Amino acid sequence: KAGVTQTPRYLIKTRGQQVTLSCSPISGHRSVSWYQQTPGQGLQFLFEYFSETQRNKGNFPGRFSGRQFSNSRSEMNVSTLELGDSALYLCASSLASPDTGELFFGEGSRLTVL
Amino acid sequence: EDQVTQSPEALRLQEGESSSLNCSYTVSGLRGLFWYRQDPGKGPEFLFTLYSAGEEKEKERLKATLTKKESFLHITAPKPEDSATYLCAVHTTDSWGKLQFGAGTQVVVTP
Repeated sequence: KAGVTQTPRYLIKTRGQQVTLSCSPISGHRSVSWYQQTPGQGLQFLFEYFSETQRNKGNFPGRFSGRQFSNSRSEMNVSTLELGDSALYLCASSLASPDTGELFFGEGSRLTVL
Repeated sequence: EDQVTQSPEALRLQEGESSSLNCSYTVSGLRGLFWYRQDPGKGPEFLFTLYSAGEEKEKERLKATLTKKESFLHITAPKPEDSATYLCAVHTTDSWGKLQFGAGTQVVVTP
């Protein structure tokens, strides 16, 4: 059974650019969540999608956005990149709800902003 | 404001030396508390879900327990392959779909 796939795994951008990260959940999983992980702040919730609807959003500026497609695949976008956006961005999927806590995480996309 | 605090930040154990990790939480309403394991360069891997005080879950050398204010992850007779960062997270009644994670405890088990 294929796991959660995130692309790209590594990327380097400069300040002011924008970036799009992609996540393919486990087949049959309809909920996709995104988290940002940094050494200083740990894992911070970005947003959660279910059936193409955003059900919750974390405390991040509007530069961070996401969407989910009808096949449950999800993308997140960060516009006008800042140095502080350098982080590991993790996508997680679950069958229907993160309520059980059983999220399946991908290996992440490591973003470096120069 | 909801808070999740893990201690210690780091733990170094000899193989076979049992120990416990602590996760204390202050939340408005707990829906569930979860433990994850994260290896370097990987995403977190789900271990346990606990829903109510008094509940216990076990998996191999790991045992998780829950009280009204904290959770413990007991590692019994650890092996080097148990080396990882252990994360706890909470899901609260007023924040659907969001897990709030603690900072983690980095465990190193030496032979």
